[in-house]
Amino acid sequence: ELKVEQNPLFLSMQEGKNYTIYCNYSTTSDRLYWYRQDPGKSLESLFVLLSNGAVKQEGRLMASLDTKARLSTLHITAAVHDLSATYFCAVGDRGSTLGRLYFGRGTQLTVWP
Amino acid sequence: DGGITQSPKYLFRKEGQNVTLSCEQNLNHDAMYWYRQDPGQGLRLIYYSQIVNDFQKGDIAEGYSVSREKKESFPLTVTSAQKNPTAFYLCASSIQGFNTEAFFGQGTRLTVV
Repeated sequence: ELKVEQNPLFLSMQEGKNYTIYCNYSTTSDRLYWYRQDPGKSLESLFVLLSNGAVKQEGRLMASLDTKARLSTLHITAAVHDLSATYFCAVGDRGSTLGRLYFGRGTQLTVWP
Repeated sequence: DGGITQSPKYLFRKEGQNVTLSCEQNLNHDAMYWYRQDPGQGLRLIYYSQIVNDFQKGDIAEGYSVSREKKESFPLTVTSAQKNPTAFYLCASSIQGFNTEAFFGQGTRLTVV
């Protein structure tokens, strides 16, 4: 079974600072996703990474994928309060046409003034 | 608007009762999924279905049942055999294909009273 580990699980950071969330997974995969979840809400898709070396950016968030190291990172630049949420990475089975995902435990991000 | 609709948003169950969570999609997706989320945890797969009248157990299927009589609908029944059903339940759907992406409903919060 594919295992996904995220760290840190809790992140408290000051506005304006930078930080990186890490996502490691146990077996080869060619699909990695980052989601945001606000309290009591569903998952919002942030990034879809489908190839080694893929890098995507949206606003203050940038995600990258290294399939050889089985590692993805979500980098936060100059954090603002609105980024406070829980961030999940999820990985799909390599070579599978099925959309089932294996999730990390999530990183609860709190940005304070 | 295309999307996934889950109902109800909140559900309360007495001990020993079966309850059914609804999930409907109008995205014309073949595959549908049910995930369970507990506080501080990632999502775990309960059941999934790739085509009508066919479904498979996920990682935590005990105490749950599903049906897939129509392409648009994938209801989840939480039976009395599920000893700890209080959780947030998310339904998702996807097309069949490599690098497919799953889309999530808004979730149902089930509480045992």
